Amino acid sequence: DQQVKQNSPSLSVQEGRISILNCDYTNSMFDYFLWYKKYPAEGPTFLISISSIKDKNEDGRFTVFLNKSAKHLSLHIVPSQPGDSAVYFCAASELNSGGSNYKLTFGKGTLLTVNP
Amino acid sequence: ETGVTQSPTHLIKTRGQQVTLRCSSQSGHNTVSWYQQALGQGPQFIFQYYREEENGRGNFPPRFSGLQFPNYSSELNVNALELDDSALYLCASSLGTFNSNEQFFGPGTRLTVL
Repeated sequence: DQQVKQNSPSLSVQEGRISILNCDYTNSMFDYFLWYKKYPAEGPTFLISISSIKDKNEDGRFTVFLNKSAKHLSLHIVPSQPGDSAVYFCAASELNSGGSNYKLTFGKGTLLTVNP
Repeated sequence: ETGVTQSPTHLIKTRGQQVTLRCSSQSGHNTVSWYQQALGQGPQFIFQYYREEENGRGNFPPRFSGLQFPNYSSELNVNALELDDSALYLCASSLGTFNSNEQFFGPGTRLTVL
């Protein structure tokens, strides 16, 4: 039972164009959504996040949009650069049952390739 | 400021054996979370340690256990290894247990069970 779904295993875009990565979730208790970027042989690196009470967060070339009614979020990268080529994971956080910590639930990831 | 480090980088074990993986937290971080990333999957939460005690656990059997030391470094132990335990094991450190967006990941340990 996947609570966070990234339905596109891969995405290829031209340098300078927009990259749009999508993510769907099923758990209404998630209160924070995050995007991580992962290069081969490295651990995931935090990119950008959004609280469940907001619908947009922007940081430079990266913008995350949240549609809570549709349980859908997306990451926009504008303009895309070859160095953005990596696996992008969507993750969601929720408080555990004991209220003692937040745990992250990840999607399977989307491989983004930005062609020069 | 040193980042999160993990050892070893790669490991090959046979079914039924036991394995210990190690993680050194980022300087100043007191919380460590462990994740298992199977091939083609996203990281899956195993458990979290805070102040040397387990502080939350995912859907993993008791043969997955851990330790956190006074210097906040951590170990993940897996007993009675199974073929399905083959995966990349990631640890992530953070300051406190409520900063899920401030988790810093290590490069991981690739475990292969034959």
